[in-house]
Amino acid sequence: EAGVVQSPRYKIIEKKQPVAFWCNPISGHNTLYWYRQNLGQGPELLIRYENEEAVDDSQLPKDRFSAERLKGVDSTLKIQPAELGDSAVYLCASSRLAGEGEQYFGPGTRLTVT
Amino acid sequence: GENVEQHPSTLSVQEGDSAVIKCTYSDSASNYFPWYKQELGKRPQLIIDIRSNVGEKKDQRIAVTLNKTAKHFSLHITETQPEDSAVYFCAAGGYQKVTFGIGTKLQVIP
Repeated sequence: EAGVVQSPRYKIIEKKQPVAFWCNPISGHNTLYWYRQNLGQGPELLIRYENEEAVDDSQLPKDRFSAERLKGVDSTLKIQPAELGDSAVYLCASSRLAGEGEQYFGPGTRLTVT
Repeated sequence: GENVEQHPSTLSVQEGDSAVIKCTYSDSASNYFPWYKQELGKRPQLIIDIRSNVGEKKDQRIAVTLNKTAKHFSLHITETQPEDSAVYFCAAGGYQKVTFGIGTKLQVIP
């Protein structure tokens, strides 16, 4: 089966600019996650979707971050405006809602804010 | 929420030796404990997981142990090989949500 797809793979922007990331999960996976991974750290959950519903967004900085998962498949994560501290790798992952827990990660988008 | 602590942060072993990575968690309700391996510049991938109804699980050179009373779990890699060099993350939680540790950078020296 095809893996989780993310784009772009790399993005360099100036602070205060907007940026968007796209994720296409594995077909049939109901649950989709967005994580942020800072250098030398583990992935930190930003938001989790079950189908099209955001069931856990407590760690999402809602003043500048937004996400959507229309039709319960693809998802986009947006930052507006970006700050220097947003530089990180943004990982998307998916899993089966009724599965046994394994999350399949995408390759990530490395964001650099200058 | 769940809090996961992982140590050591870096670990160097000679090829053929064993490596042990330890994690503790805070939420007694956690019942799922996966371990992910992340090679440099690549995505995290599940290598083994354990559920709270078992105390140990083994898959070839990799084994995990779980002590629910003490709230800690460990990854054991035997007969390490250079290709085992990577960052290893433990995690704890439920099937739909886990909290990750900060990672252990394992270097296997040939």
